Amino acid sequence: DADVTQTPRNRITKTGKRIMLECSQTKGHDRMYWYRQDPGLGLRLIYYSFDVKDINKGEISDGYSVSRQAQAKFSLSLESAIPNQTALYFCATALSGTGELFFGEGSRLTVL
Amino acid sequence: GESVGLHLPTLSVQEGDNSIINCAYSNSASDYFIWYKQESGKGPQFIIDIRSNMDKRQGQRVTVLLNKTVKHLSLQIAATQPGDSAVYFCAERAGNQGGKLIFGQGTELSVKP
Repeated sequence: DADVTQTPRNRITKTGKRIMLECSQTKGHDRMYWYRQDPGLGLRLIYYSFDVKDINKGEISDGYSVSRQAQAKFSLSLESAIPNQTALYFCATALSGTGELFFGEGSRLTVL
Repeated sequence: GESVGLHLPTLSVQEGDNSIINCAYSNSASDYFIWYKQESGKGPQFIIDIRSNMDKRQGQRVTVLLNKTVKHLSLQIAATQPGDSAVYFCAERAGNQGGKLIFGQGTELSVKP
């Protein structure tokens, strides 16, 4: 079983719809992250959380919101999806005091 | 090497040759660097890391070199194999930015048999 699990893995939706991507981890890490990947642009940080009560904006947080429901769960929401949010989204975890991120398998979102 | 733009830099090597993937980072306050490998359809996977108080670190078939003077990082893969074909990302962590990892654009490595 994957240590960092993302659901759904693939989603096609329409402009204006609300979408939630979920991430859960069994690694016991305190830090969780949401990244977006677009072709040729690498990984860009959307939001990150260092603990359950800690939420921080990343480079490209506009149009997104997050919720850290528990240490093991971090969800990303698009309140009103738009086509330029079509991308591959990755959740990642890390243990404080270390640098390495552990990534999920990704959620591919297409907004028509 | 990595650069700003929409076209992913590519590197094509023959199986068995050594590969060198380069990365220029931007923040002189960065104190930690990582290389990730991303195969098609998968999430990035850790390869090797290095702290800013080092200039070289070796792993199994991989070596990372850090030149802080010119803010340059490289990943060397010895005896490149077809399974090494992937996109490689460097990432930097700046201590003055809350410990976030900032990723480069990525370089696509293609290994020819």
